[in-house]
Amino acid sequence: KNQVEQSPQSLIILEGKNCTLQCNYTVSPFSNLRWYKQDTGRGPVSLTIMTFSENTKSNGRYTATLDADTKQSSLHITASQLSDSASYICVVTFSGGYNKLIFGAGTRLAVHP
Amino acid sequence: GAVVSQHPSWVICKSGTSVKIECRSLDFQATTMFWYRQFPKQSLMLMATSNEGSKATYEQGVEKDKFLINHASLTLSTLTVTSAHPEDSSFYICSARDLDSSYEQYFGPGTRLTVT
Repeated sequence: KNQVEQSPQSLIILEGKNCTLQCNYTVSPFSNLRWYKQDTGRGPVSLTIMTFSENTKSNGRYTATLDADTKQSSLHITASQLSDSASYICVVTFSGGYNKLIFGAGTRLAVHP
Repeated sequence: GAVVSQHPSWVICKSGTSVKIECRSLDFQATTMFWYRQFPKQSLMLMATSNEGSKATYEQGVEKDKFLINHASLTLSTLTVTSAHPEDSSFYICSARDLDSSYEQYFGPGTRLTVT
């Protein structure tokens, strides 16, 4: 069954600290993996997108990694800011049919001053 | 960058009435748009895939007669919640697939529906 699991479910960190969010998936075949940031009451905004042949992708303070062999990805946030408080969603594209997106449940990050 | 808009951003309606939500791709053409529903503290759940000029494809468990989807042009798709009930209260998000950008999907800002 095609699934995407994220951990932790929620996380609280202090402003300025780093954190790493995890994503494990069983989607096969897959064409790409994306990380989205979703602020409360808003639509998801793309942070990174990686194909199966890419190992890392950065976007400012956000760095995503992908290990297609172990089917694991991580999102590392450096020097966190209060505005980083949001849900972070891992999404894997199932290329076996119409490029359907398989969503993880997300990690809710709270950055405290 | 590609922008997807939704209107309205929030709506409150009475039980039994119908509500229409619009999704527009502002600066690109999208032959395919997607409609998602999101309940509090949960991730997005795909409701249906909307293809321009053809009938929408609904996910299992989604009532097509209750959630009417129309994709009349390459930049506009609408979702109509018919005979709304309080349990239909949710956050509805659309996304549009950009054919000119490696099939990238862009999400709208969402519409908060509250049925009283």
